[in-house]
This record gives sequence, structure tokens and C-alpha cells, in this order.
Amino acid sequence: LAKTTQPISMDSYEGQEVNITCSHNNIATNDYITWYQQFPSQGPRFIIQGYKTKVTNEVASLFIPADRKSSTLSLPRVSLSDTAVYYCLVGPGGFKTIFGAGTRLFVKA
Amino acid sequence: SQTIHQWPATLVQPVGSPLSLECTVEGTSNPNLYWYRQAAGRGLQLLFYSVGIGQISSEVPQNLSASRPQDRQFILSSKKLLLSDSGFYLCAWSDREGDEAFFGQGTRLTVV
Repeated sequence: LAKTTQPISMDSYEGQEVNITCSHNNIATNDYITWYQQFPSQGPRFIIQGYKTKVTNEVASLFIPADRKSSTLSLPRVSLSDTAVYYCLVGPGGFKTIFGAGTRLFVKA
Repeated sequence: SQTIHQWPATLVQPVGSPLSLECTVEGTSNPNLYWYRQAAGRGLQLLFYSVGIGQISSEVPQNLSASRPQDRQFILSSKKLLLSDSGFYLCAWSDREGDEAFFGQGTRLTVV
């Protein structure tokens, strides 16, 4: 499974757009890129998944360049409730899901 | 719809005592099942995963074991708990062909 690297923490203010970038230089051809969100004392929750280019849902957008060696999770107009840990995962999906340390996002008023 | 149940929510156990955490999934068949542990302020560490009844793979050597006696039941056990076993334990499932993992609410274990 591809190793991922993402910032340990980020700070933002309410109403701002937040972009969290994940590096995955050894991503394999059949790997997908998946992002999860985790609040304290809860299990992670799926946010978005993509393979290439751009994916958007009601929560976030995921940007993946052509070489797929990195990806960026974009959260539009964050609120205080978006304070959480965000995990980037790379793998073939549905099997041996492995989480790194994640990025701790802190949204300030 | 699919649901995952994990219990208990919190547990305080003395060192050397046994452990049994249970996880059950409803509304799906042949799920992949996972046990994770999360130490305070850290990421999730995959402990065990299972692709079928009686099929368990261990990711890290440790004091814990897992069993899958039924298709939708996953049990995490220990014969003698250590202080280092304290943490937040999460059970999860995913479709055999799918990509999204669904997590239970977790068990916070404190070994004293």
C-alpha cells in the first residue's frame, strides 16, 4: 500500500476555504485516493474518494493531478464544526484500509 | 441499511485481566472486517483484518488476538491485559468490492 504524507496540523478561520494536500509518490495504478474525517472519540467518517482529476460532493472537493502523486482535499467555507482530523488513504480500496497520522485541522472563530 | 455495533463504549480493566470486545455488522454479507487501535492524539493503527469466517490477518505483533466466529461478528481478545493496551479501539467493515470503510463508535479501554 502506498505511503502517504500530509501536514500534521493546520489552522483556519470560519468561512475560509481549506486545502489539505497529501503526497503519495508511489501510488499504484489500481489505487484510489480516499479521505476520512474523525472527530474526538468517534470513528472516522468517509468524506470523498477519487481516482484522477476532480471529484466534488456536497461536503468537499478532491483535486488529483495527472501524475496522481499528490491530492488536495478542499473544504469550502469551513465552520467551527469542521475542526477534526483528516486522513488521506491510498490503496486498492475495501481491503486493509490503513490510516496514517492525519492532519489536525483547527477552525477558529 | 447497514449498521455496525461495537460494545462496550468504555471499559476499565486491571492489568492481567482478560479482554473481549465484540463487533457485529448488520445488513450486509461477507464484509471485510477490521480492528484498529488509536492511542491518545495519534493516528489509527490497524491491528487485525478479516476477509471471511475464521480468516484473520495480524498487522502487528502484540498481546491481542482476534476471531471471526460468524460472518458478521468480529471479536478482539486478550488473555492478560498490559498497561500499553490502553487506547481507543475501533471496529470497521467494508464491502468486499467496495472502497469505503464504516466504523463503529469505538471502545475506550483503560488498563489500570
